[in-house]
Amino acid sequence: EVQLVESGGDLVQPGGSLRLSCAASGFNVNGYSMHWVRQVPGKGLVWVSRIKSDGTTIAYADSVKGRFTISRDNAKNTVYLQMNSLRAEDTAIYYCARDLTSVWGQGTMVTVSS
Amino acid sequence: QSALTQPPSASGSPGQSVTISCTGTSSDVGGYNYVYWYQQHPGKAPKLLIYDVSKRPSGVPDRFSGSKSGNTASLTVSGLQAGDEADFYCCSYAGSNTFVFGGGTKLTVL
Repeated sequence: EVQLVESGGDLVQPGGSLRLSCAASGFNVNGYSMHWVRQVPGKGLVWVSRIKSDGTTIAYADSVKGRFTISRDNAKNTVYLQMNSLRAEDTAIYYCARDLTSVWGQGTMVTVSS
Repeated sequence: QSALTQPPSASGSPGQSVTISCTGTSSDVGGYNYVYWYQQHPGKAPKLLIYDVSKRPSGVPDRFSGSKSGNTASLTVSGLQAGDEADFYCCSYAGSNTFVFGGGTKLTVL
């Protein structure tokens, strides 16, 4: 079964760091573009980052550029989002998605608060 | 990276059709044929309805259709059903490997 499972969400203080994981099953992450999308509960979807299948083409939303880093571990079939210098406005549910198409995870909640 | 513009709400009676618009610029919606539409029920992950402006993934009913004219994309839901009530989001490629979502439209089936 093709599936994505996010983990790593937590409560963290402003200025802190967190690493989210997106474990894939049923397909190889290195064959697809993988994205992170976030959503403040009750609000809209916001695109965060993408890593293409080549592993080197990477892009970020302006709001996270310089603070977040997307990466991939082919051996673990997992995509990561390293989040540094976290701010209250980063509080959201974080989803990973394959190609922004039909395969999405269930999301993991990140709360940035003192 | 400004969000695409969607109406906050839309509504229709069962059996009717409703169209949701998604307005961007020539740098996103108007510049590429990479527009996606998603349906999201409360507490659930988004579900892809349309990709590449007008293509439907397998399993999505043909009651859902997409189109684009200039900088505006549209999603039409025909034969409205109670289960269609949800939030709908558009998304477009915006160049330089970036993407942008719309603010979302809450569809109410009267």
